[in-house]
Amino acid sequence: NAGVTQTPKFQVLKTGQSMTLQCAQDMNHNSMYWYRQDPGMGLRLIYYSASEGTTDKGEVPNGYNVSRLNKREFSLRLESAAPSQTSVYFCASSESGGAETQYFGPGTRLLVL
Amino acid sequence: QKEVEQDPGPLSVPEGAIVSLNCTYSNSAFQYFMWYRQYSRKGPELLMYTYSSGNKEDGRFTAQVDKSSKYISLFIRDSQPSDSATYLCAFAGGTSYGKLTFGQGTILTVHP
Repeated sequence: NAGVTQTPKFQVLKTGQSMTLQCAQDMNHNSMYWYRQDPGMGLRLIYYSASEGTTDKGEVPNGYNVSRLNKREFSLRLESAAPSQTSVYFCASSESGGAETQYFGPGTRLLVL
Repeated sequence: QKEVEQDPGPLSVPEGAIVSLNCTYSNSAFQYFMWYRQYSRKGPELLMYTYSSGNKEDGRFTAQVDKSSKYISLFIRDSQPSDSATYLCAFAGGTSYGKLTFGQGTILTVHP
């Protein structure tokens, strides 16, 4: 089992460019999440998907869109990147969206110039 | 007032020391209390999980919850260099059921 995988590992964008961060899990989990991690801010939830076909905003959704492509895959899209979106992005999954363990991917480091 | 407060450190201790990491929270609806460990350039992984006041032990790690004071702690006994990581407290419950609220993380270094 690979667990939660994320691509790419690292990306540099110019302001205004768009990109999609990919996430996939092979644990047959129902719920998936996107977080960003900034120094001194901990992990902040961007969007989550409680189950296939549903998505909801988290704490910091502005500037992002998501797609739950199927049960395995959950992508995060930046339509017009801004320097404030420079961060490390983590995808996570959990069995059923309750207060159970979330399993995290290795992260994508994004630099927006 | 932030929902969760965690001293970011950094904390540097000698090998073998007892480490105490702490978080306070303000949301009374939180019912589930977790500690995640994050090694450098890796994703967080769950270390301890509890849902009641009191202590929970797992090897060298003890998680303590005091709901009346809205305070949780993680103790590490006989700390090892391999414990060097960032430790994040996390909370769930109430209207945020299924969504975790994280502390800022405490950077811990255990030197030989």
